[in-house]
Order: sequence, then C-alpha cells, then structure tokens
Amino acid sequence: SQQGEEDPQALSIQEGENATMNCSYKTSINNLQWYRQNSGRGLVHLILIRSNEREKHSGRLRVTLDTSKKSSSLLITASRAADTASYFCATTNDYKLSFGAGTTVTVRA
Amino acid sequence: DGGITQSPKYLFRKEGQNVTLSCEQNLNHDAMYWYRQDPGQGLRLIYYSQIVNDFQKGDIAEGYSVSREKKESFPLTVTSAQKNPTAFYLCATGPWGADTQYFGPGTRLTVL
Repeated sequence: SQQGEEDPQALSIQEGENATMNCSYKTSINNLQWYRQNSGRGLVHLILIRSNEREKHSGRLRVTLDTSKKSSSLLITASRAADTASYFCATTNDYKLSFGAGTTVTVRA
Repeated sequence: DGGITQSPKYLFRKEGQNVTLSCEQNLNHDAMYWYRQDPGQGLRLIYYSQIVNDFQKGDIAEGYSVSREKKESFPLTVTSAQKNPTAFYLCATGPWGADTQYFGPGTRLTVL
C-alpha cells in the first residue's frame, strides 16, 4: 500500500536554484527515506531520517521530518542538470518500504 | 546499481505466456525484494524474502511467483494469471535488519 504522497508531482527549476519537495504519510513510522530515480533506471538511496530526528544534511541535501504533521521535506540546494530525476519518499514498517508516487524534478540549464 | 544485476533489460511477452525475470546479487545481503512500477506511480511490493527458502507476499502478489533457493538469487515469474503485466520491475536487496534498500537497474516487461 502506498503510504507516502509527494508534492508537487512535478517541478521545473533553473540550474543553481533550490528545489523543495514534500512528502506526507498516514501512519506512525520508524524512519523515512528519500530515493532518486533517473529515467528508466533503478532507485538510489539518498538519505534516511529517523523518527526521533528533525533535520538531517547530506551534501547539498537537507531533509526535515515533522512527525506531528506526518510530513517530510527534501531540499536540494544549488541544483545542477544532473539532479534531473524523480524523487521518492519511502516509509519503513517491518523492513518493508512503502513509496509515494514521486516528484519529477527538471533542472534547466 | 553495482552488485545487483537484473536480466533481461527489456522483455517482450505474448499474452498467455509465463516469463521469468532474473535478479542476482553479490552484496551478501539477506533480504531481497521485487517491486512493480507503473508510469507516474511509485513502487509497489510484489514479494520479499528475508532468508533463503522463505518468502512472503507483498501488496500485489497475485499472478506472480518467486523462489529463493540461493542467497544470491531471487527470480520472479510473471504468470499468465497476471492480467496487466506490462510494467517496469525492480529488484532490491538489503542487509538483515536494515531499512535501506539497494536497487538493481530494472527490467521493462511489455506484453504484446
């Protein structure tokens, strides 16, 4: 069952701008993860944030988690053309992942 | 994608035929998973296995079957009972007890 829902569905930005996407989920979670998928390829794990964490950074990525609102956000700073991809949030329950439909990000040169 | 191979990359099937998708890993991970992805949608779990000779149904197991005879291999058979099999199929692995999963490059199945 799909637990997470990303917003917006699609995002187009200029190179160098920041990209922000949001994920909402329905039930309590142990952690939340973000994955990237380039067109026609497999998913790549970006970052995991645990339910007792509020913010986490990894390079140009910043993830926040608000368990009271059941939501998370992913910020990509100083975007590059190589960031063009679909981004998915996934919640974990009993070692199984539930994915949202994703946000498609297009970075224009 | 390194360490997880899926074959073939593209697969065409006639209606009524069974087909088997291969997933092999050399990461020594205990858990393996099969997902289905339809256009514009997220991934849905078909089957998963946390140990050799054991597997469980995911959210959309009907029309699919799996086996886990070796730690390295988790083949997925799409049977003729699957009414709408055209999709992108992704295999993933993960260490025992870990939440992060590692994905293969996928197999795109098209029913003609």
